[in-house]
Amino acid sequence: GNSVTQMEGPVTLSEEAFLTINCTYTATGYPSLFWYVQYPGEGLQLLLKATKADDKGSNKGFEATYRKETTSFHLEKGSVQVSDSAVYFCALSPNSGNTPLVFGKGTRLSVIA
Amino acid sequence: GAVVSQHPSRVICKSGTSVKIECRSLDFQATTMFWYRQFPKKSLMLMATSNEGSKATYEQGVEKDKFLINHASLTLSTLTVTSAHPEDSSFYICSARDRRGGGTGELFFGEGSRLTVL
Repeated sequence: GNSVTQMEGPVTLSEEAFLTINCTYTATGYPSLFWYVQYPGEGLQLLLKATKADDKGSNKGFEATYRKETTSFHLEKGSVQVSDSAVYFCALSPNSGNTPLVFGKGTRLSVIA
Repeated sequence: GAVVSQHPSRVICKSGTSVKIECRSLDFQATTMFWYRQFPKKSLMLMATSNEGSKATYEQGVEKDKFLINHASLTLSTLTVTSAHPEDSSFYICSARDRRGGGTGELFFGEGSRLTVL
């Protein structure tokens, strides 16, 4: 089956620190991979995505590379800001039929000044 | 990107009443919408898949008589929490995929609706 595993939070970092949130997946076929962000009290927003192996998704200073050999899609940012405090969800789309995304459990990030 | 609008964003109701939450795709058509529920500090739990013009498909453990889903058009799905009780208090989020397909499978999410049942 399809599943996503991401590192447990919460993660607390100082401003300008380097961020890595690990995400690994299991899937049949060739899924698309996503990172979504949820700010307090809001819905989910797509942060970045990658649709095939070795693709790199990037947005707002965040990056993630689709690694088929390690079945990973780790999220990174070189210098976090207080405004990056949110919950981050890794997800995959099986790309077969009109199926819902499979989400990881989410990682809460708190950035302190 | 595509926009999904959800209304109301917050609702407080008395126990025993019913509450309707609307989910609209504003600039695209969605054959299928997905309803999620999120408990505090928890991940998203898929409740049901809403199919335009047909019955919703519910996930195991979700009461279809309590959570009524109607997908009357390609741009609107509604979730009605019937005879709400305090344990139904939660954050409900809808999502949709552009029916034109050819995309990457991403879902577009509404802003969420926080339901508080007194």
